[in-house]
Amino acid sequence: EPEVTQTPSHQVTQMGQEVILRCVPISNHLYFYWYRQILGQKVEFLVSFYNNEISEKSEIFDDQFSVERPDGSNFTLKIRSTKLEDSAMYFCASRGRTGNSPLHFGNGTRLTVT
Amino acid sequence: QKEVEQDPGPLSVPEGAIVSLNCTYSNSAFQYFMWYRQYSRKGPELLMYTYSSGNKEDGRFTAQVDKSSKYISLFIRDSQPSDSATYLCAMISSGSARQLTFGSGTQLTVLP
Repeated sequence: EPEVTQTPSHQVTQMGQEVILRCVPISNHLYFYWYRQILGQKVEFLVSFYNNEISEKSEIFDDQFSVERPDGSNFTLKIRSTKLEDSAMYFCASRGRTGNSPLHFGNGTRLTVT
Repeated sequence: QKEVEQDPGPLSVPEGAIVSLNCTYSNSAFQYFMWYRQYSRKGPELLMYTYSSGNKEDGRFTAQVDKSSKYISLFIRDSQPSDSATYLCAMISSGSARQLTFGSGTQLTVLP
């Protein structure tokens, strides 16, 4: 069964550094998402992306965050200047073209900011 | 009031038991309801997806939605140790971007 893949599985970075988290969504999916889960807390929506632009973003997704689909397969989340509170699991998700298709998640990237 | 409320547990049951997991919600705009299973350090895995009131069955899993009471349930029959995980309810409103709103998750342990 096709799946969403994310790399790396674990990223350690120093505060203030830039990180790029990478995702390969399911190949025929058109809608892409980033969510995050701080340890012990809920899965929270960050941003949705469709037709090469952001559809919706949460208040968490401030100017330090950006997303890009640089080619036909990858979908990236960049954090420009990481803060300690950015430490979390970051999940990429995608869904198909039909109106009520569900989201499929990757296994996440664990980001640790020291 | 939180948009989605879910009892975090933890919930421990013996193997073979019937498990009942529940969520309530306050936003009438939620139209689509999902249950995800999340193993430790893994992504949420879609289990069930419903968009109408009533029951939907898939193997040992039954999802139940009651829109009038704003209440959804997941039942697991003949529970197995491999069912031990965190179960997340999630909902989508009828808006455009279809972002999910998750419950906090219920941690389930099925004891052999």
